[in-house]
Amino acid sequence: AQSVTQLDSHVSVSEGTPVLLRCNYSSSYSPSLFWYVQHPNKGLQLLLKYTSAATLVKGINGFEAEFKKSETSFHLTKPSAHMSDAAEYFCVVSDQEDTGRRALTFGSGTRLQVQP
Amino acid sequence: ETGVTQTPRHLVMGMTNKKSLKCEQHLGHNAMYWYKQSAKKPLELMFVYSLEERVENNSVPSRFSPECPNSSHLFLHLHTLQPEDSALYLCASSQERDMSGFYEQFFGPGTRLTVL
Repeated sequence: AQSVTQLDSHVSVSEGTPVLLRCNYSSSYSPSLFWYVQHPNKGLQLLLKYTSAATLVKGINGFEAEFKKSETSFHLTKPSAHMSDAAEYFCVVSDQEDTGRRALTFGSGTRLQVQP
Repeated sequence: ETGVTQTPRHLVMGMTNKKSLKCEQHLGHNAMYWYKQSAKKPLELMFVYSLEERVENNSVPSRFSPECPNSSHLFLHLHTLQPEDSALYLCASSQERDMSGFYEQFFGPGTRLTVL
């Protein structure tokens, strides 16, 4: 069984300051991990993904995430927040079920607010 | 058109109405998904179609009826809905090489459904 926990439902930062969105997961097999972003009234857009290659993953718009197996974490970071980063962010784990099929499990989301 | 499109973008219906949501993907994928996104809840997977066969149905009430006539189109037929069915309904697609793996999912913008 797999699960994902986003530790903060809401994060507020000032423009130009670092962003940290936290995600912990549990997985029975070697997981793939994703971060998606959802802007108001829009669908989900993939920011980045980890699929067992490099543990530090770079994504779009300056975001990156580090896979830490020992901590079962996949936190999303950005050195300097921009107003356009204000959105909802979802951490997603894709694990291989007993049937051999991979299933996606979504976190409950973190709303990022960027103050001017 | 590119990516995943959904129509209509907004829908208001009464509990006795019958309506359909449409999703179309232009990515050459062979798996399609319906998700429900309610306020303050994680994204819920409703249905999965792989190679036009329904492979997953997560205990969704029968008032929701999916249809996948070909690999590019997915419908969600709605009838006698309840007010608690009001939500954002998201469609996604992915490439699935075989039954052992699901790959990155691409999302449409969603249909905002309000049931009166």
